[in-house]
Amino acid sequence: DSGVTQTPKHLITATGQRVTLRCSPRSGDLSVYWYQQSLDQGLQFLIQYYNGEERAKGNILERFSAQQFPDLHSELNLSSLELGDSALYFCASSFSGTGLDIQYFGAGTRLSVL
Amino acid sequence: DQQVKQNSPSLSVQEGRISILNCDYTNSMFDYFLWYKKYPAEGPTFLISISSIKDKNEDGRFTVFLNKSAKHLSLHIVPSQPGDSAVYFCAASALGFSGGSNYKLTFGKGTLLTVNP
Repeated sequence: DSGVTQTPKHLITATGQRVTLRCSPRSGDLSVYWYQQSLDQGLQFLIQYYNGEERAKGNILERFSAQQFPDLHSELNLSSLELGDSALYFCASSFSGTGLDIQYFGAGTRLSVL
Repeated sequence: DQQVKQNSPSLSVQEGRISILNCDYTNSMFDYFLWYKKYPAEGPTFLISISSIKDKNEDGRFTVFLNKSAKHLSLHIVPSQPGDSAVYFCAASALGFSGGSNYKLTFGKGTLLTVNP
């Protein structure tokens, strides 16, 4: 158990809908990262937060947004969903958010857009 | 444009033998490399890392080798055990850069290792 909790584990929704994925980092970790893993793809970095502030942005679509709350949990909001958004979404956390930090991953949320 | 490539989708090895997983990268700014292991229905778990100032890092049965001139790294597992059966991801970052995207990890697509008893 990595200590990173993601909910829900599975999500099935329709095109055009909006969903929210939730992540609780390991106790003491200040930084949260979001990744997307589509079929036969590696993990694609989406966005990183550190202590409530956005720190780095990757290939995140404009339809997607994220935030990190004062209690350090994070939410990833996906709107106007398309079939291609079906993927595994991972959240990871680390203590300081620096490059030498080990990132600890949650078990992921599997999103199916029908 | 895939900057981290794991060209072998799968690898099958006998228990007790050596497993060698390979990874190539194209971005010469990458200076920190990691391997993660992933079991089904779980998130990736950090395994071992190497900085570009080294060419080898060892941790128990796991050794990572880095060849900077060839932009190639490999993970050796000796001896391989059935519990090592998992997907292995190679990842890289460019720590030496300034700017907010320093700490972004770029992952390969992964190699499924199967260790047969």
